[in-house]
Amino acid sequence: EPEVTQTPSHQVTQMGQEVILRCVPISNHLYFYWYRQILGQKVEFLVSFYNNEISEKSEIFDDQFSVERPDGSNFTLKIRSTKLEDSAMYFCASSGGGQPQHFGDGTRLSIL
Amino acid sequence: QQQVKQSPQSLIVQKGGISIINCAYENTAFDYFPWYQQFPGKGPALLIAIRPDVSEKKEGRFTISFNKSAKQFSLHIMDSQPGDSATYFCAASGRQGYGQNFVFGPGTRLSVLP
Repeated sequence: EPEVTQTPSHQVTQMGQEVILRCVPISNHLYFYWYRQILGQKVEFLVSFYNNEISEKSEIFDDQFSVERPDGSNFTLKIRSTKLEDSAMYFCASSGGGQPQHFGDGTRLSIL
Repeated sequence: QQQVKQSPQSLIVQKGGISIINCAYENTAFDYFPWYQQFPGKGPALLIAIRPDVSEKKEGRFTISFNKSAKQFSLHIMDSQPGDSATYFCAASGRQGYGQNFVFGPGTRLSVLP
């Protein structure tokens, strides 16, 4: 069964540094998402992406965040200047039209 | 209005028992209600989903019951097994889930005792 893959599985970064989290969505999917999950808490929506543009974003997704689909297969989340409170699991998800969202196994981001 | 409430926070069930997790929402624009199962170190995996045109959907040991007037839905796990021990999240979205972000409940940690 096709799956969403995320790299790296764990990223450790100094506060203030830029970080890029990478995702390869399922190949024929059209909608792409980023969610985050702070340890022990619920999954929170960050942003959705369709047709090469952001379709929706949450209050969490401020100017420090950006997303990009640089080629036909990758979908990236960039955090420009990381803060301690950005430490979380970041999940990428993708879906086709009318299909449920499939999640990757996440990247654990630790900000020191 | 965007919140999805979920209870209980944790649940302990004996093997073979029934696990019941309840969720409630307020936004009447929500029309797609999936349940996700998450094991430690893994991403959420879709378990079962329902749209409000039906009151119940069953897949194997998993059943969703949906009460549109009360804006509540629940997950029943019949014959619970130790392998079902995981965190379960209900979620909701509009536009039948087409490209819509999901609003997740806070999760229920289920432990099934052997």
